[in-house]
Amino acid sequence: KQEVTQIPAALSVPEGENLVLNCSFTDSAIYNLQWFRQDPGKGLTSLLLIQSSQREQTSGRLNASLDKSSGRSTLYIAASQPGDSATYLCAVVWRGRDDKIIFGKGTRLHILP
Amino acid sequence: DAGVIQSPRHEVTEMGQEVTLRCKPISGHDYLFWYRQTMMRGLELLIYFNNNVPIDDSGMPEDRFSAKMPNASFSTLKIQPSEPRDSAVYFCASSLVLAGELFFGEGSRLTVL
Repeated sequence: KQEVTQIPAALSVPEGENLVLNCSFTDSAIYNLQWFRQDPGKGLTSLLLIQSSQREQTSGRLNASLDKSSGRSTLYIAASQPGDSATYLCAVVWRGRDDKIIFGKGTRLHILP
Repeated sequence: DAGVIQSPRHEVTEMGQEVTLRCKPISGHDYLFWYRQTMMRGLELLIYFNNNVPIDDSGMPEDRFSAKMPNASFSTLKIQPSEPRDSAVYFCASSLVLAGELFFGEGSRLTVL
């Protein structure tokens, strides 16, 4: 059974620190993986999409890496800012006889000013 | 483009009433998804459409839920009759391709009393 797990569920970090958010998945035969940000009361905003053939993607202070063999992706946030406070979710896509898109439950990040 | 547009943003209704949620996807996107988000279960895919045709409705909880997409620019999710356990935030999302970047609406927060 395909599952996506994000640990920890919540994280508090002082402003300015670099941090890593984790996403684990069963079944390494993924098609791609996407990281999202969700602010309270809002929809999800796509941050980065990594195809299965890629090892990492970068956008500004964000860097997402993918290690299929170990079933892991990490989202690295450099020089964290209070505006980075939000919930971060990853979504994994498996394609084949049955296409599946499964979201993790997210990590709620709080950047302390 | 204005992005994915959902209405209503908030709906409070009594058990047994019919609820209709609406979604306008991004123009040109061939895929439309309906998700439900709760604290306990996270984000769950209910159904998705490709070119207005329902492809996978295995996530629809039960027969009380139905979804339609009469044209490329409009979709509805209907719950009849509604129950308190249906209380959640319902998101609509669209994408160009099945496993492409997902764009979410702001969500419809449903409370069933």
